[in-house]
Amino acid sequence: DQQVKQNSPSLSVQEGRISILNCDYTNSMFDYFLWYKKYPAEGPTFLISISSIKDKNEDGRFTVFLNKSAKHLSLHIVPSQPGDSAVYFCAAVVRSGSARQLTFGSGTQLTVLP
Amino acid sequence: GAVVSQHPSWVICKSGTSVKIECRSLDFQATTMFWYRQFPKQSLMLMATSNEGSKATYEQGVEKDKFLINHASLTLSTLTVTSAHPEDSSFYICSATVGVGYNEQFFGPGTRLTVL
Repeated sequence: DQQVKQNSPSLSVQEGRISILNCDYTNSMFDYFLWYKKYPAEGPTFLISISSIKDKNEDGRFTVFLNKSAKHLSLHIVPSQPGDSAVYFCAAVVRSGSARQLTFGSGTQLTVLP
Repeated sequence: GAVVSQHPSWVICKSGTSVKIECRSLDFQATTMFWYRQFPKQSLMLMATSNEGSKATYEQGVEKDKFLINHASLTLSTLTVTSAHPEDSSFYICSATVGVGYNEQFFGPGTRLTVL
């Protein structure tokens, strides 16, 4: 039972354009969401997060949007750069509870074409 | 930022042998460490959660006798894959966090295990 889903395994975008990565979740108890970037043979690197009390969080070129009613979040990267090419994982956690484990989606491979 | 290291980064072993992977928090004391496993093109699957000085909590379906976790200090956790078989070949990643409740997890670079 996948509680966090990334339905697009891959995405290709032209340099300078916007990249939009999507993530859906089923567990309504999740109250904190994160995006990680991962290069091959490396551990994930934290990018940006959002609390369930917000619907948008922005950090430089990265913006995360949360639609609680739809149980959907998205990561926007603009403008996209070739160095952004990596696998992006969304993750969720029930921060208010005693559990501290992150639940990850399956990842989306982003390729930014020069 | 906080740094987590893993050793070795890559290991090849024969079937039936045991392999130990170390996870260290280099510049902070990690109250909790997590061990994940990632198959190619798949998600990071949490294997177990370990708190310093106590037994690890394993996720459903993870064999505790096969994947031995020791969290002997606030800066070191080890994962031992006992009697490894080819199906144990995978990318193993640890993460570390501090404090009570949810706090940011810092991930190690991962260990690629190949069992022949």
